[in-house]
Amino acid sequence: QKEVEQNSGPLSVPEGAIASLNCTYSDRVSQSFFWYRQYSGKSPELIMSIYSNGDKEDGRFTAQLNKASQYVSLLIRDSQPSDSATYLCAVPSGGSYIPTFGRGTSLIVHP
Amino acid sequence: GAGVSQSPSNKVTEKGKDVELRCDPISGHTALYWYRQSLGQGLEFLIYFQGNSAPDKSGLPSDRFSAERTGGSVSTLTIQRTQQEDSAVYLCASSLAELPYEQYFGPGTRLTVT
Repeated sequence: QKEVEQNSGPLSVPEGAIASLNCTYSDRVSQSFFWYRQYSGKSPELIMSIYSNGDKEDGRFTAQLNKASQYVSLLIRDSQPSDSATYLCAVPSGGSYIPTFGRGTSLIVHP
Repeated sequence: GAGVSQSPSNKVTEKGKDVELRCDPISGHTALYWYRQSLGQGLEFLIYFQGNSAPDKSGLPSDRFSAERTGGSVSTLTIQRTQQEDSAVYLCASSLAELPYEQYFGPGTRLTVT
């Protein structure tokens, strides 16, 4: 069974710091990787996608992918209390239309 | 434009009753997914539609669960003879066929079986 692993946290960081969220996956042939943000009591919202090794930046968010080591990470620069949420990593297995979601990492940004 | 909508937002039912949950995807999104999320748990895939057909229904937990999609748009998830373990938030998501992994989620239906 394809697995996507995340540390459940909570990860607590002070406002203005860099938050680093990590995800490992088991399927070596996976080609695309996604980060969703889920506020408490709300539904997930897609915030980042990455398809190639290296970094992809979008505003304060940077996704990093290392296929050889089978991990993908999300960095949030200048963290704000409004970033406090659960971050879900999603990885489709090769050939599948269905992404496998990790259980998410809870991030708390305190003022 | 309008996002994914789901109804009802909350449903309380007695054990043994049948329930129907509705999802209205984003216009033009041919792919539709149903997930279940229990308290503090991850997203559990239930079923995937491409148009009106369901090429992957591997996540349906038992034969009490069924889903249909008509007109390539609205989908209904039906749970028969509900059990307490069916209590969860049921989420629907839709996507463009060519971008199946960029999913847009509805607000969910919170189902409570008493």
